[in-house]
Amino acid sequence: GENVEQHPSTLSVQEGDSAVIKCTYSDSASNYFPWYKQELGKRPQLIIDIRSNVGEKKDQRIAVTLNKTAKHFSLHITETQPEDSAVYFCAASPGSARQLTFGSGTQLTVLP
Amino acid sequence: DAGVIQSPRHEVTEMGQEVTLRCKPISGHDYLFWYRQTMMRGLELLIYFNNNVPIDDSGMPEDRFSAKMPNASFSTLKIQPSEPRDSAVYFCASSPQGNSNEKLFFGSGTQLSVL
Repeated sequence: GENVEQHPSTLSVQEGDSAVIKCTYSDSASNYFPWYKQELGKRPQLIIDIRSNVGEKKDQRIAVTLNKTAKHFSLHITETQPEDSAVYFCAASPGSARQLTFGSGTQLTVLP
Repeated sequence: DAGVIQSPRHEVTEMGQEVTLRCKPISGHDYLFWYRQTMMRGLELLIYFNNNVPIDDSGMPEDRFSAKMPNASFSTLKIQPSEPRDSAVYFCASSPQGNSNEKLFFGSGTQLSVL
């Protein structure tokens, strides 16, 4: 089955700096890569996703890049703000929610 | 739409007691998932349903765990008897059919503590 590894497990950045979280996956059949954000005590929520026919996708201050050859994808957050502090999960799927495999999560802390 | 609704938000029980967690998916979503979240193991898929039918329960840890979906708007996850190692946050999630069927919509979760 699919195996998704996520690094780092914790990340602290100064407000205004950029943050990068990386994930690798094992199953070449995976073609859908979402990122979920979970604030303390709250539900995970989808913040951005990318499909394997696209190399990069941006949404305001967040972007995701995908390298299919190397089987890795990354989340980039620019101009970080305190409200970006949360746990971020990457996931991979061959195309449906029922086959999503999650990474172990990254605790991002944005220091004021 | 109120989103996926779970109850209770918090449950504290004693070892050996029966625990029932409840979930109402988003109307029109055909898939319903139960996840367990712990620090050690992260987000684990326990079971999922399609059109009220259990499709894959390979993630259910033991026979003490059971899940049902009697209709399109309600599902339960039951643990009987409960054990301290079952303490975790249990999330229900739903997703639609069609082109967006990979997007998960999570409920607020149930924080379960088994003493």
